[in-house]
Amino acid sequence: DGGITQSPKYLFRKEGQNVTLSCEQNLNHDAMYWYRQDPGQGLRLIYYSQIVNDFQKGDIAEGYSVSREKKESFPLTVTSAQKNPTAFYLCATQGVTDTQYFGPGTRLTVL
Amino acid sequence: GENVEQHPSTLSVQEGDSAVIKCTYSDSASNYFPWYKQELGKRPQLIIDIRSNVGEKKDQRIAVTLNKTAKHFSLHITETQPEDSAVYFCAATPTGTASKLTFGTGTRLQVTL
Repeated sequence: DGGITQSPKYLFRKEGQNVTLSCEQNLNHDAMYWYRQDPGQGLRLIYYSQIVNDFQKGDIAEGYSVSREKKESFPLTVTSAQKNPTAFYLCATQGVTDTQYFGPGTRLTVL
Repeated sequence: GENVEQHPSTLSVQEGDSAVIKCTYSDSASNYFPWYKQELGKRPQLIIDIRSNVGEKKDQRIAVTLNKTAKHFSLHITETQPEDSAVYFCAATPTGTASKLTFGTGTRLQVTL
């Protein structure tokens, strides 16, 4: 877990703005994931990437975009098309085992 | 796709009692079932997991059981302590190079003195 960092910890967005959430890892894991968590709900998969320069949509990809230019980094952009982005965003990584490890999260609030 | 249902949504037990959380899944291809504990404002942390070739797994006060035929799995916590208070999530996925975990909606466990 300590090898995954997310920034910022808190983020405030005005309506109509795009914002980018950072996720960096030094675990040398190939797979990386973005989840969204709403109060009282489970985690829902936004996007995931198995390898550099490749990524797939998860269950709730609309209004989000990602890139995977480096193995260590998997940034998530919340676009203005995402109408209800206030949530807790969690990045996760997975190595050669099935276990996913989570970063500390970014709490995004729309003003 | 996979659908995971988790019950109960809230659970209150007295310190020292046992707690049981149950999950059902829909995709017979799922063969990896982790359980995560999430404290308020923190990241989920893996506490135990089980694979479909095993019916039960235990780690100190925590155990998980799996019934593949019925497509359900359960988390058992014995001798509960106040520090067990948290939200617990079950999940399921077919294994592979990228495990697309489907999570349950969580159980808020409160251990009272």
